[in-house]
Amino acid sequence: AQRVTQPEKLLSVFKGAPVELKCNYSYSGSPELFWYVQYSRQRLQLLLRHISRESIKGFTADLNKGETSFHLKKPFAQEEDSAMYYCALSGNFGNEKLTFGTGTRLTIIP
Amino acid sequence: GAGVSQSPSNKVTEKGKDVELRCDPISGHTALYWYRQRLGQGLEFLIYFQGNSAPDKSGLPSDRFSAERTGESVSTLTIQRTQQEDSAVYLCASSPRRLAEAFFGQGTRLTVV
Repeated sequence: AQRVTQPEKLLSVFKGAPVELKCNYSYSGSPELFWYVQYSRQRLQLLLRHISRESIKGFTADLNKGETSFHLKKPFAQEEDSAMYYCALSGNFGNEKLTFGTGTRLTIIP
Repeated sequence: GAGVSQSPSNKVTEKGKDVELRCDPISGHTALYWYRQRLGQGLEFLIYFQGNSAPDKSGLPSDRFSAERTGESVSTLTIQRTQQEDSAVYLCASSPRRLAEAFFGQGTRLTVV
């Protein structure tokens, strides 16, 4: 079974401070990991995926297979980062459904 | 072209009635997902279609829920004998291939009274 855990339901960070949104997963094979974001009154959209190894809007996420984690980080928070963030996992062939965590609502305090 | 389109945007129904929710995926997308999002909660997986493969129905909460997809186009999610706990936003997403980015619709907000 595949499972994604986001331990923080709410996270508040001051503008300019570092941000870390935690994500842990459970999957027996080699997963594909994603971060999705939902800004106020917008659709859920992809922020980044681990296979791309890119930084989007200053965010990065590193897949740590030893700790089964895929935490999302940004060194300096901006007000426009306030949103709902979801970590998601997709498995190998035969287990490809995209499973989401419960989400973390990030609020940036001006 | 247009993104994923869901209809209706809002649906209010009486307890015990059947409802049908529609999803028009992006043209050419082989994968299609349905999720449920209850107020204040995360995304609950319901069902996944991938091309001509048998759908993954492992997330459907009861036999009152069913979904169909015609080829690689429209999908409908049907909820029979609706209950108040079915009230939620139902989200549809499509993806161009396995393990690729999922594009979400705006959702259908279902309220069972």
